[in-house]
Amino acid sequence: RKEVEQDPGPFNVPEGATVAFNCTYSNSASQSFFWYRQDCRKEPKLLMSVYSSGNEDGRFTAQLNRASQYISLLIRDSKLSDSATYLCVVTKAAGNKLTFGGGTRVLVKP
Amino acid sequence: GAVVSQHPSRVICKSGTSVKIECRSLDFQATTMFWYRQFPKQSLMLMATSNEGSKATYEQGVEKDKFLINHASLTLSTLTVTSAHPEDSSFYICSASGGTAISYEQYFGPGTRLTVT
Repeated sequence: RKEVEQDPGPFNVPEGATVAFNCTYSNSASQSFFWYRQDCRKEPKLLMSVYSSGNEDGRFTAQLNRASQYISLLIRDSKLSDSATYLCVVTKAAGNKLTFGGGTRVLVKP
Repeated sequence: GAVVSQHPSRVICKSGTSVKIECRSLDFQATTMFWYRQFPKQSLMLMATSNEGSKATYEQGVEKDKFLINHASLTLSTLTVTSAHPEDSSFYICSASGGTAISYEQYFGPGTRLTVT
């Protein structure tokens, strides 16, 4: 079983719609959680950290469910520029190594 | 945010040759640098972690004699792919962290696309 699993998609989203997807992690001792965004043939860029109480950054909302070991990302009012691969990232219990999920591809269409 | 550069951005080499990739932190001191590899349609896989002035720690399955990592200064780490083969063709990305052990923020370089013919 992979340490971090994501639905690869693609999620085809009409412009202006809401899309949400999850990521599950296997290590219950995982400490920190992030969503990164990666555009085609580019490096990943930090989108947002995910806090236990859930957090929002503009149109993006992230949630953490430790009991079920998953995190989620919700994008409201999708823009064409939101088309990208969203990577779920988890840190291991010790140190600051990042473990990446396989990514969820989102395609926003007019 | 902090800036990390990589050079070259793209390289094509012949099978059997060696390729060196540089990763530089431009505006901060990177105590730790990480090297990742990403094959098409797959996620980033950590290859190794390097701390300035000490030997790199390689992930399981990564050959340390094939992927030589040097982190000689707080702003520069290099990855040398020795005797490259077509299966080494991939997107190599470095990241740098200047924080303490409790700081998880990493800054990624723009990546190097290696093609071995």
